[in-house]
Amino acid sequence: AQRVTQPEKLLSVFKGAPVELKCNYSYSGSPELFWYVQYSRQRLQLLLRHISRESIKGFTADLNKGETSFHLKKPFAQEEDSAMYYCALLLGAQKLVFGQGTRLTINP
Amino acid sequence: ETGVTQSPTHLIKTRGQQVTLRCSSQSGHNTVSWYQQALGQGPQFIFQYYREEENGRGNFPPRFSGLQFPNYSSELNVNALELDDSALYLCASSDRTSGGAVTDTQYFGPGTRLTVL
Repeated sequence: AQRVTQPEKLLSVFKGAPVELKCNYSYSGSPELFWYVQYSRQRLQLLLRHISRESIKGFTADLNKGETSFHLKKPFAQEEDSAMYYCALLLGAQKLVFGQGTRLTINP
Repeated sequence: ETGVTQSPTHLIKTRGQQVTLRCSSQSGHNTVSWYQQALGQGPQFIFQYYREEENGRGNFPPRFSGLQFPNYSSELNVNALELDDSALYLCASSDRTSGGAVTDTQYFGPGTRLTVL
């Protein structure tokens, strides 16, 4: 079955430290993967998608098909990065399958 | 460019009642997807509408139904409400081209918080 797993419900790092939010997926086809972020009192918004291979707000994510992973990374965390992060897999150009989310807290 | 809007913001119903939630898609988008997000969970796909027809459905019972209108706005209807239906309901819009391809990126509304007592 298609599934997205985010093993950490909570992650806390200090400002300036590197951040890595883990995401693993289960899918037999060629995956289309996304990271969505939800800041406090805001709507869910797209952070980045793997086919764009872009860096948004200093975050990058690399698809590793061998490890079926799509971890989100940032070399130097900032306080404004505190938010809920969701990894999602697109199925059939219609259905997003989300992980449970990781709450990231950046300590000053 | 107008973003996705949803109404109402909050809603309280009792078991057995029916509810209708509304969504206006982002300007230029013709496809609407609905998700249910229970507390502490990621969103779960309910169904998607394209050209006023259901285009894919998740693991939800038939008492969850929807509509899409010619202006691409959409409604989610839930009959015979149960306590477990208490959740945040999210609407997302995207753009499907006439050739069938979809740009894939779904843009979310702020959600409707439904509480069933």
